[in-house]
Amino acid sequence: EIVLTQSPGTLSLSPGERATLSCRASQSVSSSYLAWYQQKPGQAPRLLFYGASSRATGIPDRFSASGSGTDFTLTISRLEPEDFGVYYCQQYGNSALTFGGGTKVEIK
Amino acid sequence: EVQLVESGGGLVQPGGSLRLSCGASGFTFSSYWVTWVRQAPGKGLEWVANIKQDGSEKYYVDSVKGRFTVSRDNAKNSLYLQMNSLRAEDTAVYYCARQRGSYSLDSWGQGTLVTVSS
Repeated sequence: EIVLTQSPGTLSLSPGERATLSCRASQSVSSSYLAWYQQKPGQAPRLLFYGASSRATGIPDRFSASGSGTDFTLTISRLEPEDFGVYYCQQYGNSALTFGGGTKVEIK
Repeated sequence: EVQLVESGGGLVQPGGSLRLSCGASGFTFSSYWVTWVRQAPGKGLEWVANIKQDGSEKYYVDSVKGRFTVSRDNAKNSLYLQMNSLRAEDTAVYYCARQRGSYSLDSWGQGTLVTVSS
């Protein structure tokens, strides 16, 4: 099973600041099968990126994602108040999907 | 508009059974893999199971193998999760989600809460 480790666990930032979130895999992941999600309290997750760097429908361009192999990054260039929440990476491999433990982006 | 609506959650005793349903609308249900994901209270996301368009392939996380069964009825645009031998650690909000070809999940339901407790 491929394990995804997200860091940091919590990111305390102010609106307007840049956020950089990391997702590291225990073994190489196909970039085609790496996704990112945002979840706000009491809501279902929302797909942000698929294929490591392809933005999902309706996602603002202040969000960007990149990476390959075992290291992937989600960047929010200038945090807006609505961007605070928990972010998860997810991969597919060996007929299973796995999620990282999440990074909480909170208001400083 | 793509919609997924889960139902069937509730309180069940350890060792009991529950059947979750997920109704789909706004897209051609039979053209997509669909997935169950759960989230224990205050915890992260965990993939539970998924099923191919025609039901011919099903996959499960190890912790539910032999206890949970995923199925679908394309004529009714519905996905199901039969959960048997439930344990306290199965307590979670269960989401159904539409799965893209890239194995990402692009549409989610609002979730249904399953509580396993005596």
